[in-house]
Amino acid sequence: EAGVAQSPRYKIIEKRQSVAFWCNPISGHATLYWYQQILGQGPKLLIQFQNNGVVDDSQLPKDRFSAERLKGVDSTLKIQPAKLEDSAVYLCASTRNQEGSPLHFGNGTRLTVT
Amino acid sequence: LAKTTQPISMDSYEGQEVNITCSHNNIATNDYITWYQQFPSQGPRFIIQGYKTKVTNEVASLFIPADRKSSTLSLPRVSLSDTAVYYCLVGAWNSGNTPLVFGKGTRLSVIA
Repeated sequence: EAGVAQSPRYKIIEKRQSVAFWCNPISGHATLYWYQQILGQGPKLLIQFQNNGVVDDSQLPKDRFSAERLKGVDSTLKIQPAKLEDSAVYLCASTRNQEGSPLHFGNGTRLTVT
Repeated sequence: LAKTTQPISMDSYEGQEVNITCSHNNIATNDYITWYQQFPSQGPRFIIQGYKTKVTNEVASLFIPADRKSSTLSLPRVSLSDTAVYYCLVGAWNSGNTPLVFGKGTRLSVIA
């Protein structure tokens, strides 16, 4: 089966600019996650979707970050305006709607804010 | 939410068996134990998952004692390509117990 697709692979922007990341999960996976991974650290969950509804966005900095999954399939994560500390890899993961199902990750988007 | 503790790093020679232990004293009844492997510039990759006793697949084995407060990932006969960061996660996906933060993982370096 095809894996989780993410684009772009790399992005360099200046602070205060905006940026958007796209994710297409594995077909049939109802649950989608966005993680932020800062260099040298483990991934940190930003938001979890179940179909097109938000399950958990408690760690999402809502003053600058937003995410949507309008049709319950692909998803977009946006940052506006970006800060230097947003430099990280943004990972998308998906899983079946079944307890115990493991996460499947994409290869992420590496964001550099200058 | 169960917190996990792993060694920060480990070194091994090629061909040896590597055991990485993870402590999770506050594991809940519904929690599974899942291990991921991450190479630079890639997303974490699922290795193995278990609930209790022993699980084995083509890549690794996972040993879980009866009290489930720890688990050990066993990689048989490692090669240079096994150099990566290994994460232990505890949780029951899609049941409101998704871990919010991975730990820092264990950085395994395999030496020729």
